[in-house]
Amino acid sequence: NAGVTQTPKFQVLKTGQSMTLQCAQDMNHEYMSWYRQDPGMGLRLIHYSVGAGITDQGEVPNGYNVSRSTTEDFPLRLLSAAPSQTSVYFCASSSRTENSPLHFGNGTRLTVT
Amino acid sequence: AQSVAQPEDQVNVAEGNPLTVKCTYSVSGNPYLFWYVQYPNRGLQFLLKYITGDNLVKGSYGFEAEFNKSQTSFHLKKPSALVSDSALYFCAVRPQGYSSASKIIFGSGTRLSIRP
Repeated sequence: NAGVTQTPKFQVLKTGQSMTLQCAQDMNHEYMSWYRQDPGMGLRLIHYSVGAGITDQGEVPNGYNVSRSTTEDFPLRLLSAAPSQTSVYFCASSSRTENSPLHFGNGTRLTVT
Repeated sequence: AQSVAQPEDQVNVAEGNPLTVKCTYSVSGNPYLFWYVQYPNRGLQFLLKYITGDNLVKGSYGFEAEFNKSQTSFHLKKPSALVSDSALYFCAVRPQGYSSASKIIFGSGTRLSIRP
């Protein structure tokens, strides 16, 4: 049972480059989300999706795009990387039940130089 | 504004001693309460949750949490700490009435360090 799989584990980008962080889950969860984790800032929600074809913005969406064409996949796109996007990114999923916990991937550590 | 507070950035405990990691919240209604643990270079892992019923909730790895409605607290506890419990712990609160988990509020995290 793979759970939530994120790729790549590490990435270094130059300012202005674009890239896509991949996230896939095999639990048939309706809800998927992206967080970034920065020292002293805790977890901040970037974008989320409540089902295929439906996405919405979280707390810090600027500079990121998402799409949800299937239930399983929820990629996060950085359009033009900036040093302020240096962070650790986590994808999470859960079922629609209100008291369901989030299941997290192991993260992508991104450095923008 | 709704919030979750973990008042201690770091908790240091000797192995074999009991541990407590504190969490208080300010959320309207009767929210669902969660604890997660994060080991180095890993994502958060679910430990336990409070939905309703008994105020003492048991979870993974011997952890338990005590819910106190009057104090709006949900402290994480373990009777006897292990060195392997050293990790970052997050309290999270989800207001009832929202089907989307986008309303989950996370605390800032508490680093637990268990010395041998």
